[in-house]
Amino acid sequence: NAGVMQNPRHLVRRRGQEARLRCSPMKGHSHVYWYRQLPEEGLKFMVYLQKENIIDESGMPKERFSAEFPKEGPSILRIQQVVRGDSAAYFCASSPYDSWTEAFFGQGTRLTVV
Amino acid sequence: DQQVKQNSPSLSVQEGRISILNCDYTNSMFDYFLWYKKYPAEGPTFLISISSIKDKNEDGRFTVFLNKSAKHLSLHIVPSQPGDSAVYFCAFNAGGTSYGKLTFGQGTILTVHP
Repeated sequence: NAGVMQNPRHLVRRRGQEARLRCSPMKGHSHVYWYRQLPEEGLKFMVYLQKENIIDESGMPKERFSAEFPKEGPSILRIQQVVRGDSAAYFCASSPYDSWTEAFFGQGTRLTVV
Repeated sequence: DQQVKQNSPSLSVQEGRISILNCDYTNSMFDYFLWYKKYPAEGPTFLISISSIKDKNEDGRFTVFLNKSAKHLSLHIVPSQPGDSAVYFCAFNAGGTSYGKLTFGQGTILTVHP
């Protein structure tokens, strides 16, 4: 059973470009959470999704950021018109149901905006 | 608004001795408390947790202590091993074991010397 897969592992974008981060949850997991870790800080909650539903996006910046978890395929975190302050490590976690004792994190995508 | 503080950015311990990592929090709504371990270039790995109805939970070499009146959480690792060297994050939830909107501390880098 493969773990939570995130790709790409490293992503470099120029200011103003779009970044698309993918998260394939573990098999049988229908709950996905996205977190962001800025340098020298802890992880910060961004969004919680179930298949085809956004449950809580209270941690998402109001503009330029969006997330989806379609019926088929990975969850996508999209950042439009990236700025230098978006440079961070983005982690997703998945669980089979809404329980943190059963959740596993992916290895993260490190986004660098130049 | 820092609801969680890990005041020690780093901790150095000799192999075989005890490692004690600490977190302080301010939000009285937190009712579930977790510790995560993170190696470089990997995602956080769940270590141990405790609910607000307990003051201690043990799992092998790892023990988590909760002092609700002082709003203080600690993790004891005995005996410490070189493989324990990693960044440790405390994380807090206000929805019990569910609803993955965790609030993370800033992390403590633990180094265990052989």
